[in-house]
Amino acid sequence: NAGVTQTPKFRVLKTGQSMTLLCAQDMNHEYMYWYRQDPGMGLRLIHYSVGEGTTAKGEVPDGYNVSRLKKQNFLLGLESAAPSQTSVYFCASSYHQTSGGTDTQYFGPGTRLTVL
Amino acid sequence: AQSVTQLDSQVPVFEEAPVELRCNYSSSVSVYLFWYVQYPNQGLQLLLKYLSGSTLVKGINGFEAEFNKSQTSFHLRKPSVHISDTAEYFCAVNRAAGNKLTFGGGTRVLVKP
Repeated sequence: NAGVTQTPKFRVLKTGQSMTLLCAQDMNHEYMYWYRQDPGMGLRLIHYSVGEGTTAKGEVPDGYNVSRLKKQNFLLGLESAAPSQTSVYFCASSYHQTSGGTDTQYFGPGTRLTVL
Repeated sequence: AQSVTQLDSQVPVFEEAPVELRCNYSSSVSVYLFWYVQYPNQGLQLLLKYLSGSTLVKGINGFEAEFNKSQTSFHLRKPSVHISDTAEYFCAVNRAAGNKLTFGGGTRVLVKP
């Protein structure tokens, strides 16, 4: 049981380049999330998905796109990378219980992205 | 909307000493409260959560937290820390029936021998 995995672990981009971060979970969770972590700011939600084929914007969605074509995968895309997107990106997933709001989120190990 | 404030960005503490990490939140609706821990170069993992019932919640690794509704606080404590507790700790809230966590800025704990 691998839990939540992220690919790649590290990446360096030049301004204007594009890339896709892959998140995979093997826990059959309905909900998946993408966060970015910046010093002193905690984790901020970029986009999330409540099920296969559905996505929604979080707190800081600009400059990012996502897709959830399969239940186990959640992709985060940067179409034209900017230095402000230098960050550590975390994916998470959770099993949604009927008593909403109580779910524990399970996090991947993170992707460290540098945009030059 | 809800917000979370962690009052200390860094807390140095000696091994076997107690530690308290402070968390205050604001929300116009009922919330559930969480503490996550991030060890160096790893993802976050759940320490404990408050959903309802007793206001004192016990978590993994000897940590506990107390929910205080009147003060809108959820402070985390450990009576005796170990070197292995060196990590960053995040307080988070989720509104009832919601599905999105709001995190505080984090508190970095450095345990010194």
